Amino acid sequence: EPEVTQTPSHQVTQMGQEVILRCVPISNHLYFYWYRQILGQKVEFLVSFYNNEISEKSEIFDDQFSVERPDGSNFTLKIRSTKLEDSAMYFCASSALGFYEQYFGPGTRLTVT
Amino acid sequence: AQKITQTQPGMFVQEKEAVTLDCTYDTSDPSYGLFWYKQPSSGEMIFLIYQGSYDQQNATEGRYSLNFQKARKSANLVISASQLGDSAMYFCAMREFMDTGRRALTFGSGTRLQVQP
Repeated sequence: EPEVTQTPSHQVTQMGQEVILRCVPISNHLYFYWYRQILGQKVEFLVSFYNNEISEKSEIFDDQFSVERPDGSNFTLKIRSTKLEDSAMYFCASSALGFYEQYFGPGTRLTVT
Repeated sequence: AQKITQTQPGMFVQEKEAVTLDCTYDTSDPSYGLFWYKQPSSGEMIFLIYQGSYDQQNATEGRYSLNFQKARKSANLVISASQLGDSAMYFCAMREFMDTGRRALTFGSGTRLQVQP
């Protein structure tokens, strides 16, 4: 069964460093998303991406964050200068055009020290 | 105001029994969808079931069913014949469709279900 994959599974970085989280969505899906979950808290929407552009973003998704689809398969989330409060699990998700279900990847746990 | 409310932070159920996880929602959008996801201790988010606001029948997927009461704005998840592997965090989520560009899911705070042998 096709699935969303994410790399790395765990990333440790120092405050102020840039990180890039990578995702490979399900191959025939056209909508891509990033969510984050701070430990013990609810899952929060960051951004959605369709047709090579951001279609929606939350207030969390400030100028620190950017997304890109550099090729036909990868979808990335970049955090330019990480802060301690960026420590969280970051989930990539994708959905097919016309369908509602969003399928999540296994997540990348980001730890900022 | 919270858009998705899950009032049960934790639930216990005996193996083979049924359990209901509560979810209430708040929206003025006449068109919306409700989702349930399972998050095991390993951390991944697993899609379980979807209910559209215009669906006439309650959604079912195997042992999962959604008790959708539109007037009460509730979308409770029912798990029948609980198994030990059902022990996990369960999240209710909603997507509002009025703005067709909008696809973000809004999640509740979750319910931790523990199935006891």
